[in-house]
Amino acid sequence: AQSVTQLDSHVSVSEGTPVLLRCNYSSSYSPSLFWYVQHPNKGLQLLLKYTSAATLVKGINGFEAEFKKSETSFHLTKPSAHMSDAAEYFCVVGRSGGYNKLIFGAGTRLAVHP
Amino acid sequence: DAGVTQSPTHLIKTRGQQVTLRCSPKSGHDTVSWYQQALGQGPQFIFQYYEEEERQRGNFPDRFSGHQFPNYSSELNVNALLLGDSALYLCASSLVGRANYGYTFGSGTRLTVV
Repeated sequence: AQSVTQLDSHVSVSEGTPVLLRCNYSSSYSPSLFWYVQHPNKGLQLLLKYTSAATLVKGINGFEAEFKKSETSFHLTKPSAHMSDAAEYFCVVGRSGGYNKLIFGAGTRLAVHP
Repeated sequence: DAGVTQSPTHLIKTRGQQVTLRCSPKSGHDTVSWYQQALGQGPQFIFQYYEEEERQRGNFPDRFSGHQFPNYSSELNVNALLLGDSALYLCASSLVGRANYGYTFGSGTRLTVV
């Protein structure tokens, strides 16, 4: 079985300060992990993915995440927040290969203040 | 390169009616999955189609059914609509066995049941 827990439902930061969105996962299999972003009234956009290669994954728009197996975590970070980063972020776990479904966390709403 | 296309973008239906939502996958993808995203929640997996057959199903009643056509496009049908079916319905496409590469999501269909 697989599950995802996003530890914060809301995160608020000032523009130019670091962003940390926390995610813990549970998986009976070697997981694939993703972060997706959803802007208001939009679909989901893939930020980055971990698929058992490098544990530090770099994504679009300056985001990165580190896979820590011992802590079952996959936290999303960005050194400096921009106003356009304000959105809903989803941590997602899947399984490599075959017919795969994605399990989404409940989401973290990121607010960025000037 | 066209991404995932969903139609219609918005829909209002009355309780008890039936609805059909449509999805065209990203060029080169052969697998289509459907997700339901209720307001303020993460997307929930409904089912997945490959080679015109349902391959996996989430915890949704039989009122939810689907179809995949030879050109890989897909339909989601919901019968006997309930108020609780109001949600954003997302279609995602991928390549079978390559789901760890990430899914491509459409912008969704916003269904409102009144």
